[in-house]
Amino acid sequence: TQLLEQSPQFLSIQEGENLTVYCNSSSVFSSLQWYRQEPGEGPVLLVTVVTGGEVKKLKRLTFQFGDARKDSSLHITAAQPGDTGLSLCAADPTGNQFYFGTGTSLTVIP
Amino acid sequence: KAGVTQTPRYLIKTRGQQVTLSCSPISGHRSVSWYQQTPGQGLQFLFEYFSETQRNKGNFPGRFSGRQFSNSRSEMNVSTLELGDSALYLCASSSLVTGRGNTEAFFGQGTRLTVV
Repeated sequence: TQLLEQSPQFLSIQEGENLTVYCNSSSVFSSLQWYRQEPGEGPVLLVTVVTGGEVKKLKRLTFQFGDARKDSSLHITAAQPGDTGLSLCAADPTGNQFYFGTGTSLTVIP
Repeated sequence: KAGVTQTPRYLIKTRGQQVTLSCSPISGHRSVSWYQQTPGQGLQFLFEYFSETQRNKGNFPGRFSGRQFSNSRSEMNVSTLELGDSALYLCASSSLVTGRGNTEAFFGQGTRLTVV
């Protein structure tokens, strides 16, 4: 059983469109991270959310942590081809191991 | 502060051979985790080392092994390579400490292994 489930698994949109991807769990986390991975490269940490209901913005990206701290979302405004890649959420609840979500593969068509 | 360094970046091996990949973590980080990623897939956890000890292991056959040195550098080894081992192998460096979660992982660029 996957600790973190992401949806959708694949998403293909036109440049300029908006999109939201989700990261859900039945477990409660004290924090959750979002990573972005470009093809052939390692994932890069984008943001960590730590407070229930927290909203963080990073240029066109908006991250939200659910009130119950079981889920999170990533909203991208006016998607660009450079946003193409894999979005991953992750959590480290115990200090022993990172748990990564199943990932959302995003393709932005020019 | 230097990032996570993985070597080599690319590797081509023949079935049946063995391979060793290297990862140098961020200075001060004592935890190194290894992941396998195949095309279009998420990250499959291989194992995690902390202070030269393997703390966690994923669901991979015994052909996959690793170790960590006193300077926190880590190596992973795959013996008797199979075609299905072709993947991007990623290592992540962190300050994971048991009982104190909420840390962040920093990845290297990965080693692209192709088995022919």
